[in-house]
Amino acid sequence: AQTVTQSQPEMSVQEAETVTLSCTYDTSESDYYLFWYKQPPSRQMILVIRQEAYKQQNATENRFSVNFQKAAKSFSLKISDSQLGDAAMYFCAYGRGGSEKLVFGKGTKLTVNP
Amino acid sequence: GAGVSQSPSNKVTEKGKDVELRCDPISGHTALYWYRQRLGQGLEFLIYFQGNSAPDKSGLPSDRFSAERTGESVSTLTIQRTQQEDSAVYLCASSPTGYRNQPQHFGDGTRLSIL
Repeated sequence: AQTVTQSQPEMSVQEAETVTLSCTYDTSESDYYLFWYKQPPSRQMILVIRQEAYKQQNATENRFSVNFQKAAKSFSLKISDSQLGDAAMYFCAYGRGGSEKLVFGKGTKLTVNP
Repeated sequence: GAGVSQSPSNKVTEKGKDVELRCDPISGHTALYWYRQRLGQGLEFLIYFQGNSAPDKSGLPSDRFSAERTGESVSTLTIQRTQQEDSAVYLCASSPTGYRNQPQHFGDGTRLSIL
């Protein structure tokens, strides 16, 4: 079974600084997708960024980028120029190609200090 | 509305009672998912609907849990004879087709508390 591990229960960063959240996963599949979701206190899960495993190029979305290391099964999220609104729980998720359900990590709580 | 809508937002009930949770997906989205999020945990997959296909129920934790979906619209998740371990936030998500892991759009969830 696929598993997703987020080894940092909590992280903090100063406003305008850069922070990296870690995620590793375990799978024997070759066709899969990886996601980072943000969950603010409002509870709604918001998609931050998505990476297809067959793409070597790391995905980027404005201040958010990933470091996808397929051989190491690592998928870290880098947030640049952190803003107060970035404070939230961040979840890494895995989806197998051809399957629909996502497997989530336990999350990392990010605090942004002014 | 434009997003996934869930009701009620919060539900408190006594142990042993049945509860129904409702999800209205984004219009036109054929795929619908239910997840459970226990306090301090990630999301656990419960069930998935895709169009008129048989649902994937592989994540339902017991036969007390069931879900229905009418066509490509509203879904209800029913928990019978609730237990305290059922206390959690229940999140619903929808996606356009469910194909190739298209991003899932989530509702705000229902926080269920069993006394």
